[in-house]
Amino acid sequence: LAKTTQPISMDSYEGQEVNITCSHNNIATNDYITWYQQFPSQGPRFIIQGYKTKVTNEVASLFIPADRKSSTLSLPRVSLSDTAVYYCLVGDMRDNFNKFYFGSGTKLNVKP
Amino acid sequence: NAGVTQTPKFQVLKTGQSMTLQCAQDMNHNSMYWYRQDPGMGLRLIYYSASEGTTDKGEVPNGYNVSRLNKREFSLRLESAAPSQTSVYFCASSETGNQPQHFGDGTRLSIL
Repeated sequence: LAKTTQPISMDSYEGQEVNITCSHNNIATNDYITWYQQFPSQGPRFIIQGYKTKVTNEVASLFIPADRKSSTLSLPRVSLSDTAVYYCLVGDMRDNFNKFYFGSGTKLNVKP
Repeated sequence: NAGVTQTPKFQVLKTGQSMTLQCAQDMNHNSMYWYRQDPGMGLRLIYYSASEGTTDKGEVPNGYNVSRLNKREFSLRLESAAPSQTSVYFCASSETGNQPQHFGDGTRLSIL
């Protein structure tokens, strides 16, 4: 299972674009990348998932370079309500089941 | 649209007492999971059920047992609670094992 490395914390201001990078140097050919968001006192919530290049939804964009050894979650124009912990996970798309390891995530603090 | 429902939300136990945490999902998902989250840490997988009728150990199974009662319900039992099991417990479900997981709001368990 590919290990991921993320910054422990990041600070930003309202209205800015935030990019959180996750390193997964030993990602395998069939692995895909998933990001979750967790607010205090709540369970994690799925944000976005991708395999290569760029994926965009109504919440975020996920950029994955050609070598796939890292990925970047991009949050456009953050607000105070985006203050949360963000987790990057890697799983094998061939498996019927993935045991995901959440790690400590990146704590994003959005300031007014 | 309830999603994943966990009961109780809060519980205080004495060392040595037993307790069952309940989890139910209404999304007709095949896979279900139990995680624990200690303060300032990420989630660690305790047990999972890839499909109805199957259960398997995760990363930290010692001191716990689970039952997949039916497709909807997945319970977690502490037979003899210990202070080290003080944590927030999250239940999650997913359509299949490699699909995004949906989480409940957690059970905050304190063992004195």
